[in-house]
Amino acid sequence: AQSVTQPDIHITVSEGASLELRCNYSYGATPYLFWYVQSPGQGLQLLLKYFSGDTLVQGIKGFEAEFKRSQSSFNLRKPSVHWSDAAEYFCAVGAGSSGSARQLTFGSGTQLTVLP
Amino acid sequence: GAVVSQHPSRVICKSGTSVKIECRSLDFQATTMFWYRQFPKQSLMLMATSNEGSKATYEQGVEKDKFLINHASLTLSTLTVTSAHPEDSSFYICSAATGGAYEQYFGPGTRLTVT
Repeated sequence: AQSVTQPDIHITVSEGASLELRCNYSYGATPYLFWYVQSPGQGLQLLLKYFSGDTLVQGIKGFEAEFKRSQSSFNLRKPSVHWSDAAEYFCAVGAGSSGSARQLTFGSGTQLTVLP
Repeated sequence: GAVVSQHPSRVICKSGTSVKIECRSLDFQATTMFWYRQFPKQSLMLMATSNEGSKATYEQGVEKDKFLINHASLTLSTLTVTSAHPEDSSFYICSAATGGAYEQYFGPGTRLTVT
């Protein structure tokens, strides 16, 4: 079965600083990888996704992530954090064969705090 | 595009009553809808997967008679929490996916409080 690990429960950065959120996955086949962001009391918004091709993917709000198969990682990065980026971030891996339900397995999340 | 709505956004009910939560895909046809439960400061736990016109598939440990899921059309799925108890209080989130796609679109969530 697939699994996702987000080693950092909580990260604090200063506004304007760079950010990297770690995500490691375990999956036997080619993974479909996602990063979502959740503001308090809200649903999840998709930041970016990796299905195939270029291993560096660009997302919304200036985020990017790099798929590294050798390290089973899909870390999320942003060069300069804004105060509005403070939220909970979830990494997820998609599973399921063709024709079946496309379930997502989520990591435990990383809470990002941005200091002024 | 790909907007999913949930109604209500918040609901408070008394113990023993039933509550229905609606999940709608507003601008696309959702062949599959998912229901998640999220406890405070925790990740999303998949409760069940429903395909339009079929019975829902529940995850291990989720009581299908307590959490009734109906996916009667390609734009609407409902979750009914029957005989709710305080331990059912949680944040319930639905998501929707189109055929052949891995990407899920999430609703804004419903905060259920059972008193």
